[in-house]
Amino acid sequence: EPEVTQTPSHQVTQMGQEVILRCVPISNHLYFYWYRQILGQKVEFLVSFYNNEISEKSEIFDDQFSVERPDGSNFTLKIRSTKLEDSAMYFCASSEEGLPAQHFGDGTRLSIL
Amino acid sequence: AQKITQTQPGMFVQEKEAVTLDCTYDTSDPSYGLFWYKQPSSGEMIFLIYQGSYDQQNATEGRYSLNFQKARKSANLVISASQLGDSAMYFCAMREGNAGGTSYGKLTFGQGTILTVHP
Repeated sequence: EPEVTQTPSHQVTQMGQEVILRCVPISNHLYFYWYRQILGQKVEFLVSFYNNEISEKSEIFDDQFSVERPDGSNFTLKIRSTKLEDSAMYFCASSEEGLPAQHFGDGTRLSIL
Repeated sequence: AQKITQTQPGMFVQEKEAVTLDCTYDTSDPSYGLFWYKQPSSGEMIFLIYQGSYDQQNATEGRYSLNFQKARKSANLVISASQLGDSAMYFCAMREGNAGGTSYGKLTFGQGTILTVHP
């Protein structure tokens, strides 16, 4: 069964450094999302992306965050200058036109030191 | 106000028994979709079941069914014949708008319920 693939599974970064989280959505999906989950808390929406542009973003998704679909398969989340509070599990998700389910990747655990 | 409320931080069930995980939601949008996801200890998020606000019948997927009570704004997940592998965190989520079947829109999640299945 096709799945959303995220790399790396775990990223450790010094505070203030830039980090790029990578995702390969399911190939025929058109809608892409990033969510995050701080340890022990609920999953929170960050941003949605469709037709090569951001369709919606949350208040968490400030100027330090950006997303890009550099080619036909990858979807990336960049955090420009990481903060301690950016430590979380980051999930990429994708969904297909006409079907309700958003399919999540296994997540990238981001640890900021 | 919370859009999704899961009042049970933890639930226990005996293997082979049925269990109900509660979820209530709050929206003024007539079109919405309700979802349940399972998160095992390994961390991934697994889609289980979906219910659209205009769906006349309760959704079912194998051992999972969604008890949708629109007037009460509840969307409880029922797991029948529990298995040890069902032990996980379960999240209820809502997407406002687009309940007609399109897939676009952010999900808002509840706090989750940890289910433990005892042998």
